Amino acid sequence: QKEVEQNSGPLSVPEGAIASLNCTYSDRGSQSFFWYRQYSGKSPELIMFIYSNGDKEDGRFTAQLNKASQYVSLLIRDSQPSDSATYLCAVPSSNSGYALNFGKGTSLLVTP
Amino acid sequence: SAVISQKPSRDICQRGTSLTIQCQVDSQVTMMFWYRQQPGQSLTLIATANQGSEATYESGFVIDKFPISRPNLTFSTLTVSNMSPEDSSIYLCSVIGGDSQPQHFGDGTRLSIL
Repeated sequence: QKEVEQNSGPLSVPEGAIASLNCTYSDRGSQSFFWYRQYSGKSPELIMFIYSNGDKEDGRFTAQLNKASQYVSLLIRDSQPSDSATYLCAVPSSNSGYALNFGKGTSLLVTP
Repeated sequence: SAVISQKPSRDICQRGTSLTIQCQVDSQVTMMFWYRQQPGQSLTLIATANQGSEATYESGFVIDKFPISRPNLTFSTLTVSNMSPEDSSIYLCSVIGGDSQPQHFGDGTRLSIL
């Protein structure tokens, strides 16, 4: 049973546009949600986490959480070519406590 | 966040051999984990490294194949034993620094088995 679902993409957006990345999860009891960015050949880097329903903003990034719909999204405003990467959504594992279950990731390409 | 160092960063190994990967953190952390990322795939948890006791393995991973040590709150090792080409992956150490802290990853070990 897959717990975290993401569209694999690639999602292509022009430079300066808003990129919208989506994630759904199956465990209704999940309390925290994480977005990691992974550049090709690199390890995942935490960019956002959110615990409460609603929006959380950090610079050009906004995480949106809707627990009723079991849906979390990441918006990247004013997208830059340097934002081109794979974005991984993660939620704590229902089996392993603090360990994370990751989605397969969405590949984002920002074109100049 | 903590600085996490993994060694080696990459290696090419022969079939049937074993490799030990080290994960060193510059501060004490509450939890350490080992993940695998196979080519083109997402991350899969191998095990939680428990300080002073046996690691907790996920379904599909066994101690004989992936023995893990965690002698203290800053260091852990993962051994990939009797390697086959299917073990070619990136192996990642991650840590949680404290309560309510998010998880951070080391740079990973890129392992290729010939």
